[in-house]
Amino acid sequence: AQTVTQSQPEMSVQEAETVTLSCTYDTSESDYYLFWYKQPPSRQMILVIRQEAYKQQNATENRFSVNFQKAAKSFSLKISDSQLGDAAMYFCAYEDDKIIFGKGTRLHILP
Amino acid sequence: DSGVTQTPKHLITATGQRVTLRCSPRSGDLSVYWYQQSLDQGLQFLIQYYNGEERAKGNILERFSAQQFPDLHSELNLSSLELGDSALYFCASSREITGTGDNYGYTFGSGTRLTVV
Repeated sequence: AQTVTQSQPEMSVQEAETVTLSCTYDTSESDYYLFWYKQPPSRQMILVIRQEAYKQQNATENRFSVNFQKAAKSFSLKISDSQLGDAAMYFCAYEDDKIIFGKGTRLHILP
Repeated sequence: DSGVTQTPKHLITATGQRVTLRCSPRSGDLSVYWYQQSLDQGLQFLIQYYNGEERAKGNILERFSAQQFPDLHSELNLSSLELGDSALYFCASSREITGTGDNYGYTFGSGTRLTVV
């Protein structure tokens, strides 16, 4: 069965600094999608970034980028120039026919 | 507004009761997914419907059931409720564009907060 592991339950970063959230997953599939979702205190689930497994190039969305290592089954999220509004729970997710979520990393932004 | 509508936003009920949660997917989306999020936990997949048919099932309890109607809205029925069923229940939808390789993830509703007392 596919699993998604986020080994960092909580992280803190100084405002304007860079932080990297880790994620590993397990699958025997070769074609799949990976996502990072953000859940702020409002509890709304917001898609941050997506990566297609067959693409070598790492996805980037403004201040958010990923480091996708397919052989290592690793999919980390880098947030540059951290802002107070980035404080949230971040979920790594894997999809082939349905999305499986990790348990999340709570990110605190220190002013 | 994500385009996925869930009602009600909050629900408080007693143990042993039955409730129905409703979800209207984003316009044009054929797939609906239900997830359960307990306090400070990740999202647990419950069930998926595609164009009215059940497509995938997760760890959904036998006391829970769901369906998707011809207008594509979906309902999640929770019966014989227990204290442990208190959670945030999310509905999500997607277009499921198959054959093109396109997959833009799910669009989530704002959830229904169920409290069982």
